[in-house]
Amino acid sequence: AQKVTQAQTEISVVEKEDVTLDCVYETRDTTYYLFWYKQPPSGELVFLIRRNSFDEQNEISGRYSWNFQKSTSSFNFTITASQVVDSAVYFCALSGGWYSSASKIIFGSGTRLSIRP
Amino acid sequence: DSGVTQTPKHLITATGQRVTLRCSPRSGDLSVYWYQQSLDQGLQFLIQYYNGEERAKGNILERFSAQQFPDLHSELNLSSLELGDSALYFCASSAKGAGELFFGEGSRLTVL
Repeated sequence: AQKVTQAQTEISVVEKEDVTLDCVYETRDTTYYLFWYKQPPSGELVFLIRRNSFDEQNEISGRYSWNFQKSTSSFNFTITASQVVDSAVYFCALSGGWYSSASKIIFGSGTRLSIRP
Repeated sequence: DSGVTQTPKHLITATGQRVTLRCSPRSGDLSVYWYQQSLDQGLQFLIQYYNGEERAKGNILERFSAQQFPDLHSELNLSSLELGDSALYFCASSAKGAGELFFGEGSRLTVL
């Protein structure tokens, strides 16, 4: 069975601090995708990143970076020099299979990030 | 704008009623997903359709049903509504399964 665990329910930091959101996953699939989504207070869900199970290279996009480690089944997300606009709920997600036509995409319970000015 | 359109945006109804939520996927996307997000809850996967056929099922109640039509739009039907069905219902689409999902703005259902 697939499972995504985001143990941090809520995180609050002061602006400009770095913050890491943890994501641990479980799957029996040998090929799978991992995702991060952002849900700002307005409610929409915004895609941030997709990573496939064969690519363990870390990725950096501006202030955002992602650390994928298969050995620990983790896909952590770091925001550097956080800003108030980063305040949102962040979801980690997992899909099994390999770009097949049938796939559940399972989300973690989310981490609510609050950035204080 | 994700390109996924959901209607209605807000819906208030009474217990025991039936409602239909509609979703138009991004142009060219064959796969449609439905998710339920209750207050302070994560996203619960309900069901996935691919090119008109049901392909994956989550914890969808028997009172709920969905379909995807030949023009690829999808409808989620919720019947015999209960107070606990109040939630934000998201539709998402992707080119195929396992790809990144693009979400609509959601339909907020309130059951009184």
